[in-house]
Amino acid sequence: QLQLQESGPGLVKPSETLSLTCTVSGDSLSTTIYYWGWVRQSPGRGLEWIGTTHNSGNTYYNPSFKSRVTISVDTSKNQFSLKLSSVTAADTALYYCVRHGFTRSNFHHWGQGTLVTVSS
Amino acid sequence: DIQVTQSPSTLSASVGDRVTITCRASQSISDWLTWYHQKPGKAPKLLIYKASSLESGVPSRFSGSGSGTEFTLTISGLQPDDFGTYYCQQYSSSSSWTFGQGTKVEIK
Repeated sequence: QLQLQESGPGLVKPSETLSLTCTVSGDSLSTTIYYWGWVRQSPGRGLEWIGTTHNSGNTYYNPSFKSRVTISVDTSKNQFSLKLSSVTAADTALYYCVRHGFTRSNFHHWGQGTLVTVSS
Repeated sequence: DIQVTQSPSTLSASVGDRVTITCRASQSISDWLTWYHQKPGKAPKLLIYKASSLESGVPSRFSGSGSGTEFTLTISGLQPDDFGTYYCQQYSSSSSWTFGQGTKVEIK
């Protein structure tokens, strides 16, 4: 049974870098056929796709974040990570890690989400 | 970027009602449209994929239709468990994914 679990600091200071990790169980990031990504949700901005990666090396980012975001994979730990730099209060949100569906067109499995607040 | 616009933003309906939610894309996305249902405090749950395909385990009262730029989600016989917010989401061939603003469904 696939499980995704987000982890990371719940509070980040403005201008610093937000770092989150998603630990995957029930699938192997080194051999999987699936795409993996990050989606966030806030009252003001709704649901926003942040970025997506695949073990083929392909990584895609939302142009709205492109200059600030990095997604990486650690197959030895079966984890993938999100880094978002130069954060502001507008980056306060619930962050979900996700596994795309078979066609990659949607988000089939979601973690429970982790709340990140940007505040000094 | 392709934008998606959902309507209405909120609706109130009675148990047993037929409910329709519309999603419009700013350009053609073929049938790459997904619908989700989210309850408070929970992650979104996939209901319909490729515009009209029902996800396994989802009740048959949910159906989707459309292609190109206009899509609808229909709930035929609203149930108390159907309250929450519904989102559409598009996928474009340029590898970009965008959500609609959501439709909050309240049970009268």
